[in-house]
Amino acid sequence: GAVVSQHPSRVICKSGTSVKIECRSLDFQATTMFWYRQFPKQSLMLMATSNEGSKATYEQGVEKDKFLINHASLTLSTLTVTSAHPEDSSFYICSAREDTGNEQFFGPGTRLTVL
Amino acid sequence: AQSVSQHNHHVILSEAASLELGCNYSYGGTVNLFWYVQYPGQHLQLLLKYFSGDPLVKGIKGFEAEFIKSKFSFNLRKPSVQWSDTAEYFCAVIPSGSARQLTFGSGTQLTVLP
Repeated sequence: GAVVSQHPSRVICKSGTSVKIECRSLDFQATTMFWYRQFPKQSLMLMATSNEGSKATYEQGVEKDKFLINHASLTLSTLTVTSAHPEDSSFYICSAREDTGNEQFFGPGTRLTVL
Repeated sequence: AQSVSQHNHHVILSEAASLELGCNYSYGGTVNLFWYVQYPGQHLQLLLKYFSGDPLVKGIKGFEAEFIKSKFSFNLRKPSVQWSDTAEYFCAVIPSGSARQLTFGSGTQLTVLP
């Protein structure tokens, strides 16, 4: 089946630093990728839709200047959390939708802890 | 905009008990429906999906779900659960043919006691 990877799987950083998270579709092309945030014991909340070759579409309440998204190729999207603060600590999950279908495949997630 | 409701937040069962997790959605048009599972410490995995055709869908690991259009429901069932089914279960919906993202329910934590 289709595989999506995320790197890193876990990151701890100091407050004020920036962190980049990569999402890759390993064996399929994905014009569209999605970034979610999951709080403990809660569902996935969509942050933004990443589109290859164009600007990302952010959900209401998500700061686009804080969560920078770059969809550099048909297999790679990156999320950069700029000037991270402790309240940004969370589990970030990406998914990629196959260009040939309507199914999304999820990455394993990245646990971000901001001290 | 569509929304998804999962009314059971936490379900506790003994092994061999039957399972039914509720999922209701609100959307006036045709939808694609999904159930995902997230085992402890692991990423989301697709259990089953409904796009069209037979409303009774069979997925992996003995799970099945029935789409009842009149009730806007897509309940997940398993006749006999195992300890290894302990996980978080998410129902999700997307309008058919849409380029939009999945809308997830709040999730149901299933705990199966050995």
